[in-house]
Amino acid sequence: GAGVSQSPSNKVTEKGKDVELRCDPISGHTALYWYRQSLGQGLEFLIYFQGNSAPDKSGLPSDRFSAERTGGSVSTLTIQRTQQEDSAVYLCASSLGGPLLAGQFFGPGTRLTVL
Amino acid sequence: QKEVEQNSGPLSVPEGAIASLNCTYSDRVSQSFFWYRQYSGKSPELIMSIYSNGDKEDGRFTAQLNKASQYVSLLIRDSQPSDSATYLCALNAGGTSYGKLTFGQGTILTVHP
Repeated sequence: GAGVSQSPSNKVTEKGKDVELRCDPISGHTALYWYRQSLGQGLEFLIYFQGNSAPDKSGLPSDRFSAERTGGSVSTLTIQRTQQEDSAVYLCASSLGGPLLAGQFFGPGTRLTVL
Repeated sequence: QKEVEQNSGPLSVPEGAIASLNCTYSDRVSQSFFWYRQYSGKSPELIMSIYSNGDKEDGRFTAQLNKASQYVSLLIRDSQPSDSATYLCALNAGGTSYGKLTFGQGTILTVHP
């Protein structure tokens, strides 16, 4: 079946602009996660959704970052007033069931470049 | 001390050999453990999950967990050049952070013909 999909695959923006990144999880997966990966920082957790609610937002680096999920499916990560340090690959993952026992399956990522 | 530590490598093994990848972690209450493979320019791919002490085998892969020693490993038997990638160890510590996976920095594996 279809895996996790993300769009756009690449995004180049100017400092100070807002960006929206989209994630479509695997059909039937109730849990959805956002991570980012940058050189020297490894994979960094951002936020976890169970259904439409986000019980763990502990990884969001600042209040410029927000995310929502609607219909228990698609999620959007929004970064306001982008900064150069926001440049990274943003990865979405989903899992069937809760995060403790279910492996997370990653999408291809969105490469964000802030000029 | 980092939460999840891996030797960055590179680890180089000949084709057909056993590759052994190791990971230690600091949080004793960590509950679930995962190994991911990441090819250059691609996203992580789930290989194995392990939750209880002992060995778990899946094809050429064996994951080993020792919670007393806070150690998890991945063995790749009959290594192939196509196994050349970065291998990421990840764990879920449960508790208030039960939603997230914490990743190590990864070990680069090179399998040479």
